Amino acid sequence: GQQVMQIPQYQHVQEGEDFTTYCNSSTTLSNIQWYKQRPGGHPVFLIQLVKSGEVKKQKRLTFQFGEAKKNSSLHITATQTTDVGTYFCAAGGNNAGNMLTFGGGTRLMVKP
Amino acid sequence: DAGVTQSPTHLIKTRGQQVTLRCSPKSGHDTVSWYQQALGQGPQFIFQYYEEEERQRGNFPDRFSGHQFPNYSSELNVNALLLGDSALYLCASSLREFDTEAFFGQGTRLTVV
Repeated sequence: GQQVMQIPQYQHVQEGEDFTTYCNSSTTLSNIQWYKQRPGGHPVFLIQLVKSGEVKKQKRLTFQFGEAKKNSSLHITATQTTDVGTYFCAAGGNNAGNMLTFGGGTRLMVKP
Repeated sequence: DAGVTQSPTHLIKTRGQQVTLRCSPKSGHDTVSWYQQALGQGPQFIFQYYEEEERQRGNFPDRFSGHQFPNYSSELNVNALLLGDSALYLCASSLREFDTEAFFGQGTRLTVV
């Protein structure tokens, strides 16, 4: 079945430093979604990427979808303590219904 | 507009017992998916319900079953509980017509002892 790998597993940064998490699939993806889960919380949707080479920005967050639609990345500029949490990429299904295959997540810790 | 609601929030069961978890989707959504999230891992897809039928299923045994009601709410049943079933169970709702974001509930934390 479809597998999604995410690295790194953990990342400690000093507040103000940048952060990047990478997501890779062995198969071509129809779309990729990113979610954030705060400690003790539930996944919250951040964005969906659909097109090859797509780049989307949300304030300090930049999301990219690879040209081959097999990889994606999330980059946070100048991290803040509010960015703490686990960031998951999730591959959307090829059929209707939005079955998601999640990566293992990258846990971001920010030192003030 | 209520989001996705799940009940109960926490549950402790004994090995071999059965459990039922409940989910009410976001208003206007017609599709409910269930995920199991073990500690420190990403959510794993269990199954999805649409029009009261199971439409897709992940790699979970038949001990995991579900139901969707005419009002789109859903139940997840797990029989013959194992210690390894201890996890956060997440319900996610979406609109089938659009392959877009899933809205997750706060989850049910199941502990099997």
